[in-house]
Amino acid sequence: QLQLRESGPGLVKPSETLSLTCIVSGDSITNTPYYWAWIRQPPGRGLEWIGSVFYGGQTYYNASLQSRLTMSVDTSKNHFSLRLTSVTAADTAVYYCAKFLFPGGIDPWGQGTLVTVSS
Amino acid sequence: QSALTQPASMSGSPGQSITISCTGSGSDIGSYDLVSWYQQHPCKAPKLIIYEASKRPSGVSDRFSGSKSGNTASLTISGLQPEDEADFYCFSYGGSFTWLFGGGTKLTVL
Repeated sequence: QLQLRESGPGLVKPSETLSLTCIVSGDSITNTPYYWAWIRQPPGRGLEWIGSVFYGGQTYYNASLQSRLTMSVDTSKNHFSLRLTSVTAADTAVYYCAKFLFPGGIDPWGQGTLVTVSS
Repeated sequence: QSALTQPASMSGSPGQSITISCTGSGSDIGSYDLVSWYQQHPCKAPKLIIYEASKRPSGVSDRFSGSKSGNTASLTISGLQPEDEADFYCFSYGGSFTWLFGGGTKLTVL
């Protein structure tokens, strides 16, 4: 059974870089035709699509985050990653990783990890 | 690209049916049958309940059904149960490799 788990620091200082990893277990990250996605949810607010990555390197990013965002896949470790630079308080959110049934649904999701941007 | 429009809140009594709408545009919902719906209970990760507008994943109750007409997708929950109380989100392909969520609907079961 496929499971995903987010890993990374829960506190990041303003202007620094937010880095998260999603550890995939129960299936290979190279299985096609799946993509891998990041979604976030600010406290008390709705979901926001961040972007998706294919194990071969193809990425699709939310245009509003594109200039600060990098997503990548490490097939040797069966995980994928998110880097968001120059963070502000507006980037404070629960970050979810998930399998993306390109170009349609998202399933399953990781449990989510809260990242707070604060000095 | 703006988020898809959902009612902020809805309510219903046990046993009733309710329909949550998700309105987009001709560039997203109107052009593709790539709408999915998610149920999110408090402090939990969202769960896929409908994909490709009207398909239900294995294990999801048949009380949940989806449809689409023009630029609007809809999620219908029949025979409301207390455990259906949650937030619901729609999600659609927006064309040109963009995707977007609806603002979410808080469902209260009275």
